[in-house]
Amino acid sequence: EVELLESGGDLVQPGGSLRVSCAASGFTFNTYAMTWVRQAPGEGLEWVSVISSNAIRTDYADSVKGRFTISRDNHKNTLYLQMNSLRAEDTAVYYCARRAGATHIDYWGQGTLVTVSS
Amino acid sequence: QSVLTQPPSVSGAPGQRVTISCTGSNSNLGSNYDVHWYQQLPGTAPRLLIYNNHYRPSGVPDRFSGSKTGTSASLAITGLQSEDEADYYCQSYDSSLNYVFGTGTKVTVL
Repeated sequence: EVELLESGGDLVQPGGSLRVSCAASGFTFNTYAMTWVRQAPGEGLEWVSVISSNAIRTDYADSVKGRFTISRDNHKNTLYLQMNSLRAEDTAVYYCARRAGATHIDYWGQGTLVTVSS
Repeated sequence: QSVLTQPPSVSGAPGQRVTISCTGSNSNLGSNYDVHWYQQLPGTAPRLLIYNNHYRPSGVPDRFSGSKTGTSASLAITGLQSEDEADYYCQSYDSSLNYVFGTGTKVTVL
């Protein structure tokens, strides 16, 4: 059974940094691209970043480009999102998700809440 | 900001058929990128409902169906049930913006 378990969400001050993680199990992690999607309180879904299966290619939403870094450790079956220069508008539940096929997501984690506030 | 537009809400009585539209543009749905649909029950993570325009993952009831024409797509729910009350999102790829989600539609069962 595919499982994605996020961790690391916390309350952080504006301008601060945080790293969230996603532990994957139940599938061959190093053969799938992985992505982060976030959802601000009461709002819709927003794609954040994607990383290829071998970590060679990464892409980011314009809203986080230059501040967030996606990475993965295929030996530890873990996906990461390093978030720097955090802003209030980054407050959201961050979902780790597995990309299937060319453009869709077939499995989602339960999410981890990141709150940016002073 | 979402580039795929959905109606904020739709509603129907149990057993009825409801449809949710998803309107895009030439840079996403109109560029032959597939559309996918997700269901998000209250307080839970999204779940894949339809992929590549009209395919259902195993476990998704055949009451759910999808279609796409040009720059628009739609999700239909036939035989509406109380457990279908949720938020629904379309998603595709945009040549300028990468992955994009719709604005979301809340389905209410009357």
